[in-house]
Amino acid sequence: SQTIHQWPATLVQPVGSPLSLECTVEGTSNPNLYWYRQAAGRGLQLLFYSIGIGQISSEVPQNLSASRPQDRQFILSSKKLLLSDSGFYLCAWSVSGWGASGYTFGSGTRLTVV
Amino acid sequence: KQEVTQIPAALSVPEGENLVLNCSFTDSAIYNLQWFRQDPGKGLTSLLLIQSSQREQTSGRLNASLDKSSGRSTLYIAASQPGDSATYLCAVRYGQNFVFGPGTRLSVLP
Repeated sequence: SQTIHQWPATLVQPVGSPLSLECTVEGTSNPNLYWYRQAAGRGLQLLFYSIGIGQISSEVPQNLSASRPQDRQFILSSKKLLLSDSGFYLCAWSVSGWGASGYTFGSGTRLTVV
Repeated sequence: KQEVTQIPAALSVPEGENLVLNCSFTDSAIYNLQWFRQDPGKGLTSLLLIQSSQREQTSGRLNASLDKSSGRSTLYIAASQPGDSATYLCAVRYGQNFVFGPGTRLSVLP
């Protein structure tokens, strides 16, 4: 069966520090991968999605970046965190292509920038 | 622009009641629609996935319907329990991506 792992679960970082969040999927190949952010009391905002290794689409301009160094690995990064980067970050995957798959989400990372 | 809305934003009901949550979408060219549950501080748990060719899906006390032509989906929860308290989100798939609604925050009072 397919599983998705996301870590760390919580993170407190000072303003200006770097960030690296990792997400991996097991039990499938060539998945579509997504990074979402959920700010306090707000809806889900799509940040990045990837349909293959090295293929990253950005939905919202910001100081975050994403990379997909391996087929089932998706990394969210920042060189210098801002206070506004605080939030709940969720990774998700779906079956590739234009098919009928739904989303499966990871358990999320709570990021607090202080 | 593809938009998804959910009504009501919040709902509080006594235990045992049947209830309906609503999801509306502006672009009917969908691949599928998915209902999720999110507990505070947690990730999203998939409840039901309805393909564009389907009219409804059922799982236990949950039933989701889809009317693609009118751009609407409903999530019906029968005999609600305090453990059903959570935020419920619908997500509509267009191509490779999904558009999420803002969610309905449900409280079931014992």
